[in-house]
Amino acid sequence: GAVVSQHPSWVICKSGTSVKIECRSLDFQATTMFWYRQFPKQSLMLMATSNEGSKATYEQGVEKDKFLINHASLTLSTLTVTSAHPEDSSFYICSASDSDTQYFGPGTRLTVL
Amino acid sequence: GNSVTQMEGPVTLSEEAFLTINCTYTATGYPSLFWYVQYPGEGLQLLLKATKADDKGSNKGFEATYRKETTSFHLEKGSVQVSDSAVYFCALRGGSGYSTLTFGKGTMLLVSP
Repeated sequence: GAVVSQHPSWVICKSGTSVKIECRSLDFQATTMFWYRQFPKQSLMLMATSNEGSKATYEQGVEKDKFLINHASLTLSTLTVTSAHPEDSSFYICSASDSDTQYFGPGTRLTVL
Repeated sequence: GNSVTQMEGPVTLSEEAFLTINCTYTATGYPSLFWYVQYPGEGLQLLLKATKADDKGSNKGFEATYRKETTSFHLEKGSVQVSDSAVYFCALRGGSGYSTLTFGKGTMLLVSP
């Protein structure tokens, strides 16, 4: 089946720094990519939806200047958490969609000290 | 809007027991329905899906039938294994051309030897 990779799988950073997370669809071209955030023992919260070559659409309450999304190609999207703070610590999961199904990456555990 | 309701967990079973995790949905139009599984510390994996009424999705011994009359998509497995311990998410997509997945809150399954 379709494979989506994320890098890094975990990252620890200091408060105030920026962190970039990459999401790649390895064996298919993704028309749309999604970024989710998951808190412990909770469901996934959609942060934003992006289509290749266009600006991301952010969900209500998600700061677009803090969570920068770039969808440079049909196989790559990046999420940059700018000026990270401890409350940004979470599990971030990307998803890539072909015409019908969403496939999820393995997630990135971000810890901000 | 779209919504998904899952039974709350955790569901605790002994190995080889029968599993049912209930899922009902609310949506306009004709959504596609999915079950995703999340193992500890990992992202989501697509377990099975059904795209129209009366379709049965199946994979790895799990199955679920799209019941439009009861707006349900219950997940079943005849004999669970310890390795099935995970969190299971029911989700729907579309219904009126909207491509974002709507997730239930997830149900944790714990299988003991």
